[in-house]
Amino acid sequence: GAVVSQHPSRVICKSGTSVKIECRSLDFQATTMFWYRQFPKQSLMLMATSNEGSKATYEQGVEKDKFLINHASLTLSTLTVTSAHPEDSSFYICSAKGGGTDTQYFGPGTRLTVL
Amino acid sequence: GENVEQHPSTLSVQEGDSAVIKCTYSDSASNYFPWYKQELGKGPQLIIDIRSNVGEKKDQRIAVTLNKTAKHFSLHITETQPEDSAVYFCAASFSNDYKLSFGAGTTVTVRA
Repeated sequence: GAVVSQHPSRVICKSGTSVKIECRSLDFQATTMFWYRQFPKQSLMLMATSNEGSKATYEQGVEKDKFLINHASLTLSTLTVTSAHPEDSSFYICSAKGGGTDTQYFGPGTRLTVL
Repeated sequence: GENVEQHPSTLSVQEGDSAVIKCTYSDSASNYFPWYKQELGKGPQLIIDIRSNVGEKKDQRIAVTLNKTAKHFSLHITETQPEDSAVYFCAASFSNDYKLSFGAGTTVTVRA
């Protein structure tokens, strides 16, 4: 299957700071990338959909000014958690799909801990 | 929006036995149904998927069946092995936006 990477794998930050998470498709061009959040022992919740070169579409209840998404190229999308608070601590996972397919490949996830 | 229900929430099987996980979906427009395996601390891994124009698909020990009329689909794992222990998620999407709606997950434990 296709390979999607995320960086960093885990990050610890202080409350009030911003954290950037990168998602890369390594062996295919990702026309669409998705960002999910997963709390312990729970399912994946879609946060936003990003298409290369256009603004991200956020799911209801997700603050677009808090979770900034940039999909600058066909292989890279970034999620920036701004002014992070302890309640933002979670497992953030991206997925990517190429054009002409509905198959999504997931990254390994980023564990964010906000102190 | 789409609502996917998944059962059971936990499943314990003896090594070598079969495991079956069932999901139902609400939106008849959904046409793509993937299954993901997630190990602790890792991202979900696609293990098999099925599209609405197919009723059954098999890949070695894993098979998926789809009943469009009843709006349910199932994952079957035969000859289970300890390395099959993980959380399995079903999902559904429609090709207009490709957004995946996930089930709540099934924790599968294979006893040696």
